[in-house]
Amino acid sequence: DIQLTQSPSPLSGSVGDRVTITCQASEDISIYLNWYQQRPGKAPRLLIYDASNLQTGVPSRFSGSGSGTHFTLTISGLQPEDIATYYCQQYDSLPVFGGGTKVEI
Amino acid sequence: QVQLVQSGGGVVQPGGSLRLSCVASGFTFSSYEMHWVRQAPGKGLEWVAVISYDGERTYYGESLKGRFTISRDNPDNTLYLQMDNLDIEDTAVYYCARDGRSDYFDYWGHGTLVSVSS
Repeated sequence: DIQLTQSPSPLSGSVGDRVTITCQASEDISIYLNWYQQRPGKAPRLLIYDASNLQTGVPSRFSGSGSGTHFTLTISGLQPEDIATYYCQQYDSLPVFGGGTKVEI
Repeated sequence: QVQLVQSGGGVVQPGGSLRLSCVASGFTFSSYEMHWVRQAPGKGLEWVAVISYDGERTYYGESLKGRFTISRDNPDNTLYLQMDNLDIEDTAVYYCARDGRSDYFDYWGHGTLVSVSS
């Protein structure tokens, strides 16, 4: 089974910072990696699909990149509303989530 | 707009049963695979189950050991999760989610808490 390892956690930043979260896959998954944001007490929200495609309605300060086994989610200009836990996810035979990265300000 | 409205959570004793529901609106429910995902208190997301658009195919997470059953009623736009022989470790918020046709979850329900306690 493919496993996803996220780092760092937690991640601390200041308003306006550029922050990057990494997701490492245990096997080559091409570009089939998605990112979610979960604010405290809320349901997850899709941010990025297929490694780099921004979901409709998601602010452009969020971006994703990577392929194969190494992927990143970048927030360019951290905002107070970005305080959340971020999860990567892949769907090989069945869906798997990374362990999450908590972003703090 | 797409909405997934959940119900059916609550407190149940170990060994008990519970059925969760998720009513969909704003899209053609019968055209999409649907999933259940859960989150134990203070923990990360765990995928639970998926059902094909027509209900013919279902798959489950390995940790469920055959105790959960996912089903759907397309005319009623409703997804279900029947949970039997519940264990304390099944305590979690359960989310229904739509499969966005490329193996990602593009819409989520608000979540419903299942608490297994004696």
